[in-house]
Amino acid sequence: EIVMTQSPATLSVSPGERATLSCRASQSVGSNLAWYQKKPGQAPRLLIYGASTRATGIPARVSGTGSGTDFTLTISSLHSEDFAVYYCQQYDNWPLTFGGGTKVDIK
Amino acid sequence: EVQLVESGGDLIQPGGSLRLSCAASGFTFSSYAMNWVRQAPGKGLEWISYISNVGSTIYYADSVKGRFTISRDNAENSLYLQMNSLRAEDTAVYYCATLPRNWVFYFDSWGLGTLVTVSS
Repeated sequence: EIVMTQSPATLSVSPGERATLSCRASQSVGSNLAWYQKKPGQAPRLLIYGASTRATGIPARVSGTGSGTDFTLTISSLHSEDFAVYYCQQYDNWPLTFGGGTKVDIK
Repeated sequence: EVQLVESGGDLIQPGGSLRLSCAASGFTFSSYAMNWVRQAPGKGLEWISYISNVGSTIYYADSVKGRFTISRDNAENSLYLQMNSLRAEDTAVYYCATLPRNWVFYFDSWGLGTLVTVSS
C-alpha cells in the first residue's frame, strides 16, 4: 500500500497570504496525484488531478506541482472560502490512498 | 448536472448489517465506474470500494474485505453497499463518488454522504 503523508497537519494563514501544502508518497506515483478540499458538512471537492491540472471551476490562484514522490498544493492568495481541510490522493496503485490532510485555518 | 444522493445510514449495533444506497442522476450512470469513500469522525478520507461500470471488476480496501459488498443496478441508476459484521471502527460518513472516465481513479463528483454509527 502506498502511504501518503501530508504536512503540516495545520497551517495558520492570514487572508491574502500564500499557503503551501506538501504531500509525500512512500513510493513513486508518477503524476497520478489529486488534491481535494473538504469543509464540514460538505462533499469533498476535486481541486487538482494529474498533479497539476485544475479541475473545472477551480480558480487560477490554486496550483499543483510535483511528480514521483513529492507534491505541493499552493493557494497564492487565501480567500475566506479557502479555509478548509485539504487532502491528497494517489491513484497510481490499488488500494487508492489519501493523505491524512492539512487543515488551513485563519491566523 | 451530476447529482449523487446517499441514503440508508443509521445507528446500528456492533455485528449488525446495513445497506447503503446512492441514487445517481445527471449523467449516464451505466458508463461510469463508482466508488464508496468514508470519513470517520475527526479522521481523514478512506477509499473502501470500487465497481466498474458493468460490475465486472470490483475492489475493496483490506479494512472492509469480506464484510462489505458493493453492487449496482444500472437500470435504476443506483449504487449499493451491503455492510455486514459492522464494527465500531466502521462509524463514518459514507460517500459515493464517480470517476471521470474508465481507468482514471480520482474522484470528480461526490454526494453529501450518509452517516453510519456503530454503537451499542
